[in-house]
Amino acid sequence: GQSLEQPSEVTAVEGAIVQINCTYQTSGFYGLSWYQQHDGGAPTFLSYNALDGLEETGRFSSFLSRSDSYGYLLLQELQMKDSASYFCAVRGSGTYKYIFGTGTRLKVLA
Amino acid sequence: DAGVTQSPTHLIKTRGQQVTLRCSPKSGHDTVSWYQQALGQGPQFIFQYYEEEERQRGNFPDRFSGHQFPNYSSELNVNALLLGDSALYLCASRGDMNTEAFFGQGTRLTVV
Repeated sequence: GQSLEQPSEVTAVEGAIVQINCTYQTSGFYGLSWYQQHDGGAPTFLSYNALDGLEETGRFSSFLSRSDSYGYLLLQELQMKDSASYFCAVRGSGTYKYIFGTGTRLKVLA
Repeated sequence: DAGVTQSPTHLIKTRGQQVTLRCSPKSGHDTVSWYQQALGQGPQFIFQYYEEEERQRGNFPDRFSGHQFPNYSSELNVNALLLGDSALYLCASRGDMNTEAFFGQGTRLTVV
């Protein structure tokens, strides 16, 4: 089957750095995406990795290791507004659909 | 740019009824996907439309059907509603060669 695993919850303080891991098992692989979703809101795109390595976008970075079927999202200089759910999503080769993980709820404390 | 817009935002239906949800994709996008998101879960793929055809379908029963119009907008229809159909229904659009999917705010469907 196809599945993605993420921690259910992570807590950190303002200004800290937090890493959210994602391991996946899919039939083929096109890329790993990360989305942020605030309560009651729409998922918003954060980053995408198709190749191994680190992608940096402002305070957010995302890493992929295809050989380990593993990726992570790194959030630096945490702010209260970063409190949200974070989803990793994979698109398998030969398919148009994204498979989402169950999400990691990030709580940022003052 | 209005982004992806969905209507209605909230809806309450009775078991056995039928519902139609609507989605207008982001300007320039021709591919529309529908997802169901239960509380505390990740979005689950229902189907994707491209060039007015259903291109791929997830593991959802035939009670779930859809349509895409020439202007790329889309509808999701659910027949014979069950209590378990209560969820947030999300529409996502993208240009076909673009990996980034833009999501709408969703329609919160409650079946009572």
